[in-house]
Amino acid sequence: DAGVIQSPRHEVTEMGQEVTLRCKPISGHNSLFWYRQTMMRGLELLIYFNNNVPIDDSGMPEDRFSAKMPNASFSTLKIQPSEPRDSAVYFCASSLGSRQEPYEQYFGPGTRLTVT
Amino acid sequence: TQLLEQSPQFLSIQEGENLTVYCNSSSVFSSLQWYRQEPGEGPVLLVTVVTGGEVKKLKRLTFQFGDARKDSSLHITAAQTGDTGLYLCAGVRDSNYQLIWGAGTKLIIKP
Repeated sequence: DAGVIQSPRHEVTEMGQEVTLRCKPISGHNSLFWYRQTMMRGLELLIYFNNNVPIDDSGMPEDRFSAKMPNASFSTLKIQPSEPRDSAVYFCASSLGSRQEPYEQYFGPGTRLTVT
Repeated sequence: TQLLEQSPQFLSIQEGENLTVYCNSSSVFSSLQWYRQEPGEGPVLLVTVVTGGEVKKLKRLTFQFGDARKDSSLHITAAQTGDTGLYLCAGVRDSNYQLIWGAGTKLIIKP
């Protein structure tokens, strides 16, 4: 299995620009999570999808952040407009969510975002 | 307020030494997971412990879930440089998809 795929791996952009991060979960997984990781705050959950439907977006920092999951094999996280404080590593994770593997999550390699 | 407290936050030891990392909470979890994250990569699941008092071994790594399911420990015997990384614990609440994450223990094993 290819695992969770994220693109791009690195993104450098200027303040005010739109940024789109992409994720392909593991085939057959029905749950998808977007996280942000910084030294100061650790790993923070931004949004959780189940069967392509957003279930909990309470972790999304503000209206500048939005996420979509148009089908079971693709999700995007968009920041518009971006700000320097958005600089972080963004991870996508997926989970089977079955009783055999309750909530064990499989992470992608992350996208390192730098906003200047 | 950190619901899962990990200690120590940082540990640097020589290869061959033993070490223990702790993950503590005042809350009860239905299960607890340990992940290891290497620089430039995402966290990778090491183990899930489910039953209070459960002990699981993964080669030189021993994981234990507390009897009350509020805490867990990770013991590494004869640490190797390949054990270097950020160790994260994450707790699962009953009927809740969301993992409660600890802040992590950054472990450096010196040759």
